[in-house]
Order: sequence, then C-alpha cells, then structure tokens
Amino acid sequence: KAGVTQTPRYLIKTRGQQVTLSCSPISGHRSVSWYQQTPGQGLQFLFEYFSETQRNKGNFPGRFSGRQFSNSRSEMNVSTLELGDSALYLCASSLDTFPYEQYFGPGTRLTVT
Amino acid sequence: GQQLNQSPQSMFIQEGEDVSMNCTSSSIFNTWLWYKQDPGEGPVLLIALYKAGELTSNGRLTAQFGITRKDSFLNISASIPSDVGIYFCAGRGTSYGKLTFGQGTILTVHP
Repeated sequence: KAGVTQTPRYLIKTRGQQVTLSCSPISGHRSVSWYQQTPGQGLQFLFEYFSETQRNKGNFPGRFSGRQFSNSRSEMNVSTLELGDSALYLCASSLDTFPYEQYFGPGTRLTVT
Repeated sequence: GQQLNQSPQSMFIQEGEDVSMNCTSSSIFNTWLWYKQDPGEGPVLLIALYKAGELTSNGRLTAQFGITRKDSFLNISASIPSDVGIYFCAGRGTSYGKLTFGQGTILTVHP
C-alpha cells in the first residue's frame, strides 16, 4: 500500500506571495491532518480534515487554510507569506476508526525569502 | 502552541548501550505515540499506546503509557548506528485528528 505523498517536496517563495501544498493520503484513510515543523516551535498542529470538512483547528492565523476533496486528497494554502512561514509542512493521514494512528508524508520544505 | 515536555533534548551514546527518554504533560491524553524522524523525512510511527499502564514492545523498543495518563517512556535496548535520529513523543486527547508533540530527543550513536 502506498504511503502518504506530498507535493511539491521543496518550494521557494517570496514574501507576500501565496502557496498551495498538496497531500494524498494512504488509500482508505479519510482523515488528513497538517502540521508545521520549525526548529524553534517544533511540530505544531495546523488543522484536520475529514469528509471534506475541517474538524479541528490549531492556533494559526487565518492566512493558513485548507480543504479536502471527495477522494480525501487535501491541500493547504498560505496567503501573504511571511519569512516566519519558512518551515517543513507535514501531512498525516489516518483511518477514522480505532486505532486512529497517524502516518506522515515526507513533507514539503517551504522557504520564504 | 502547547508542547509536551520531552527529555533529554539530546543523547550521545556508544553502540550497544540502552537509551531511555520520556515525555510529560499537564494534560491527560488517551493515546501516546512515539515517532522517529530522519533528516529530510517525515516522522515514522514506532509504537502506539492506548491504555494507562500499557507496556508495548516493537523489537528493541519498549514504551509505556503512564498510569496518570500524563506521561510516557521509550526505551531502546542495545542501540545500533541506525538508531540515530530524532525521537518524538506525541499525545492525543479527545480530538482524534490532533496530535500534540514533544520537542524531540536527538540521538547520536557512536560506533
């Protein structure tokens, strides 16, 4: 069974631009969660989508948004990029039944200049 | 954002030694998970714990879910060079899709 895939793997953007990252979950997984990883803050939860609906949300500004499609693929968008948005963005998928274990993709490395 | 208190922050050990690391929280969690992350990769799930007091092994790895549900421990026995990496604990409360992570333990194994 294929794992979680994320595209692109690397991205360089300029401050003020916007960016869209994509995540394809493991087949059969309907829950997709997004995390931001930085050296200073570690791994922080952004939001979770299930059945095309945002089910949980972390403490990030409204510039961070996401969506999920009917095939469970998910995208996250960051508008008006700031230098501090430079991070590794990780996507994780899980079944919505016990044991709810989350499996991570390789991440998208975003650099904002 | 909230983080779990994970210690130690880093460890330098000789091949063959045992390793212990732990995580504590001010909040109760229903699930504890331990992940390992290699450079440039996403975290890989090592062990998951679902009940207070549970002790679970995965090869040379053993983890325990604390009785208070506010802590967890990971032990690695007879370390080998490929154990090098960053180990993260993560806790899940009542929100199934949200994990709260520790700051990570950087493990270096000298041959």
